[in-house]
Amino acid sequence: AQSVTQLGSHVSVSEGALVLLRCNYSSSVPPYLFWYVQYPNQGLQLLLKYTSAATLVKGINGFEAEFKKSETSFHLTKPSAHMSDAAEYFCVSGGSNYKLTFGKGTLLTVNP
Amino acid sequence: NAGVTQTPKFQVLKTGQSMTLQCAQDMNHNSMYWYRQDPGMGLRLIYYSASEGTTDKGEVPNGYNVSRLNKREFSLRLESAAPSQTSVYFCASSELISGRANYGYTFGSGTRLTVV
Repeated sequence: AQSVTQLGSHVSVSEGALVLLRCNYSSSVPPYLFWYVQYPNQGLQLLLKYTSAATLVKGINGFEAEFKKSETSFHLTKPSAHMSDAAEYFCVSGGSNYKLTFGKGTLLTVNP
Repeated sequence: NAGVTQTPKFQVLKTGQSMTLQCAQDMNHNSMYWYRQDPGMGLRLIYYSASEGTTDKGEVPNGYNVSRLNKREFSLRLESAAPSQTSVYFCASSELISGRANYGYTFGSGTRLTVV
C-alpha cells in the first residue's frame, strides 16, 4: 500500500529565506509524485510532478523538488520565500492504480 | 478555460435535507473523483469513477451516493445531510496512462457545505 508522510504540519519562514517542505513516501511500485498548492479558499493547483524522468523537477513559481529513491523522499524547496508563497502544500503519490494518495498537508507561513 | 467546474460554490443545508453537488470536466479525462477536505485531515476520497459507467467507494463513502452521468459529469448526492458532512468538497479528474494517473489530477474550485 502507498503512503505519504509530510513532516511538519506547519512551517514558518521569513521572507527571502529558504523554503524546505519535507515529504517521504512508501510505495510497492515506482511512484509518480506530485506537489500541489492550495491558496486560502481555493482549489488545489499542481506545482510540479515527478514521473521517472529527471530526478530534479522544476515547477511553477520557482519551486523545485528532488526525487531521492535511497531516502524515499521528495522534498520541495524554493531558494527565497515570497509573501505570496503562503499557502498549504500537499505531497501526493500515484502508484499502480488510478488513485492518488495525499499527504495531510503542510501550512507554510511567510513572515515579513 | 478548460478544467473542472463545480456547482454550487457554497451551500447551507438543514439536517436531513438532501442535495446534489455537480461536477463537469471538459478535458476528456477518463477518471473522476470526489474528495472532502477537513482541517487537519487532508483530503479523503469519498467515491471515484475510473471510467464512464463505473463507480467505486473510497475511504469515506457513508452518507453519500454518486452518479457518473456521462464521461464529462460526475455528481455527488447527500440523501440526508448530517452536521458531520460539513466540509469542503472537491471534484477532480485525471487522464490515465496504462491505468495510472500519471499527470495527477485537475481539481475544481470546491463546494463549501455547511449542515446546521
